[in-house]
Amino acid sequence: QAGLTQPPSVSKGLRQTATLTCTGNSDNVGNEGAAWLQHHRGNPPKLLSYRDDNRPSGISERFSASRSGNTASLTITGLQPEDEAEYYCSAWDSSLSAWIFGEGTKLFVL
Amino acid sequence: QVQLVESGGGVVQPGTSLRLSCVASGFTFNHYHIHWVRQAPGKGLEWMATMPPAESYSFYADSVKGRFTISRDSSKSTVYLQMDGLRVEDTALYYCAREIGGFADWGQGTLVTVSS
Repeated sequence: QAGLTQPPSVSKGLRQTATLTCTGNSDNVGNEGAAWLQHHRGNPPKLLSYRDDNRPSGISERFSASRSGNTASLTITGLQPEDEAEYYCSAWDSSLSAWIFGEGTKLFVL
Repeated sequence: QVQLVESGGGVVQPGTSLRLSCVASGFTFNHYHIHWVRQAPGKGLEWMATMPPAESYSFYADSVKGRFTISRDSSKSTVYLQMDGLRVEDTALYYCAREIGGFADWGQGTLVTVSS
């Protein structure tokens, strides 16, 4: 199954802003919207946003998500050391009748 | 609070079977999709399967279609993943997750190792 396209890594400085992208097509991101997960190895993933720009309770306002066409974005402001993690996007693909993930973006906070 | 607890993992030989369980609590079980998601060593997240509540059909990733079977027991608030014909490449940490339009709640995972 084809996945969503994410850059392998992004590096930003402390207190800077990082924007991560996730590109799909009209069967998944463009139609159903995307969800974003933060994953620190050794712990279960944490949902940061869903259906494009909905933030679960308890998630910091420093994390915001959006979508333009078939590309979803996650913006993290005021980067902190604990934001260094793997970030995955996911979406339901109506053509495949399956959920698909991106390969993940490793965010480095310098 | 929402809790998902996986069990049933282990070390098995190729071609054999395992059944994973995911016991849910803290929410109305029949109102939510529960999914199985795995992560192989050094790899990313991979969605496996889901079965909509109160439905008889299910959805699978191509990589496991025909080998894995998902089922739900509402009386036990439990979702199962029957894994047959296991392959070395099925070695992974298997999570169950509750979906709200994204995978909102996760268990700690159960490790499956397929090795000869």
